[in-house]
Amino acid sequence: TQLLEQSPQFLSIQEGENLTVYCNSSSVFSSLQWYRQEPGEGPVLLVTVVTGGEVKKLKRLTFQFGDARKDSSLHITAAQPGDTGLYLCAGDAGSARQLTFGSGTQLTVLP
Amino acid sequence: EPEVTQTPSHQVTQMGQEVILRCVPISNHLYFYWYRQILGQKVEFLVSFYNNEISEKSEIFDDQFSVERPDGSNFTLKIRSTKLEDSAMYFCASRKVLGDTDTQYFGPGTRLTVL
Repeated sequence: TQLLEQSPQFLSIQEGENLTVYCNSSSVFSSLQWYRQEPGEGPVLLVTVVTGGEVKKLKRLTFQFGDARKDSSLHITAAQPGDTGLYLCAGDAGSARQLTFGSGTQLTVLP
Repeated sequence: EPEVTQTPSHQVTQMGQEVILRCVPISNHLYFYWYRQILGQKVEFLVSFYNNEISEKSEIFDDQFSVERPDGSNFTLKIRSTKLEDSAMYFCASRKVLGDTDTQYFGPGTRLTVL
């Protein structure tokens, strides 16, 4: 069974601070997705990383895939209250490429 | 931008009743999935579907569950005899192909409450 461990589980920071969320596994994934989920809604795709060592930027969000494709990080620069939400990483594996989700990081950015 | 849609948004049912959750995947996608998320827990894979048959299923997807693509657009999840522990958010997802750069897009979910 493939597992994805996300840390921290909860993060509360002040507006303007930087933060990093980690997603770790002992398994190799074909690709890894980061989603953001609001309460009562479905996960919304932020980014997909595919190549080991890949770095992708989405405005103030920087995503990195580990060289061995077992781990990933999400770094947010100068966090804003609008960044508040649940961030999920999900690894893509299996013959049907079903997703294995991490437990999520609940981010709260205080004004 | 094309979206995955799901109906109903909320379904309340009595234990033992059958429910059908409906999804309309993105139109040119070929792979379809159901996931569930029990309140406060991880999103869990249930089943994947391609070319009118199940590709893979998890241990959760027992004989009480079935999936169907009755026409060219709908993708349904049926729970034959609901149990209290089936209460969860159920998410449908679709994917165009299985290429590395392709990924799954999720619908807004159906909240199932079993009383």
